[in-house]
Amino acid sequence: EPEVTQTPSHQVTQMGQEVILRCVPISNHLYFYWYRQILGQKVEFLVSFYNNEISEKSEIFDDQFSVERPDGSNFTLKIRSTKLEDSAMYFCASSSSGTGANNYGYTFGSGTRLTVV
Amino acid sequence: GENVEQHPSTLSVQEGDSAVIKCTYSDSASNYFPWYKQELGKRPQLIIDIRSNVGEKKDQRIAVTLNKTAKHFSLHITETQPEDSAVYFCAASRGYSSASKIIFGSGTRLSIRP
Repeated sequence: EPEVTQTPSHQVTQMGQEVILRCVPISNHLYFYWYRQILGQKVEFLVSFYNNEISEKSEIFDDQFSVERPDGSNFTLKIRSTKLEDSAMYFCASSSSGTGANNYGYTFGSGTRLTVV
Repeated sequence: GENVEQHPSTLSVQEGDSAVIKCTYSDSASNYFPWYKQELGKRPQLIIDIRSNVGEKKDQRIAVTLNKTAKHFSLHITETQPEDSAVYFCAASRGYSSASKIIFGSGTRLSIRP
């Protein structure tokens, strides 16, 4: 079964540093997403991306966040100057177009646990 | 704004009994309602979903119901087993729009007592 791959699985960074979280979506998917889950809380939408631009972003996705699809396979989330409250699990997801049985094959990656110290 | 409320936050049931988790949503344009199971430290895994043109859907021990008028939907797990212990999230989405985000509920921690 195709998978969404995320690297690294765990990243520790100092407050104020920049981090880049990487994702490889499923190859024939066209829509890409980032979600965040603070420990013990719900999964929160950050941003959606289609056709090389942001489709929608939440209030959480402020100026310190950016996304990029630098090549045909990777989809990255950059946090410019990390804060303690950015510590969370970050999930990438991708979906296809069309009328797939489960919302266009919406698939989550296994996540990157970001710890800001 | 878009919001999904989920109850209860924790649920403990005896093995073999049924568990019910209830959710409400606020966005009238939502038409796709997935349910996710999340084990500790893992990704959310889709276990069942329902679209707004259907009132009920069943898959073995799991069933979901949807009342679109009341904006309520529920997950029912029958004959619960220890491996059902996890956090369950309901969610809502405008499933037919492009780049459709998923709005999650706050989760229900389900514990199955042996």
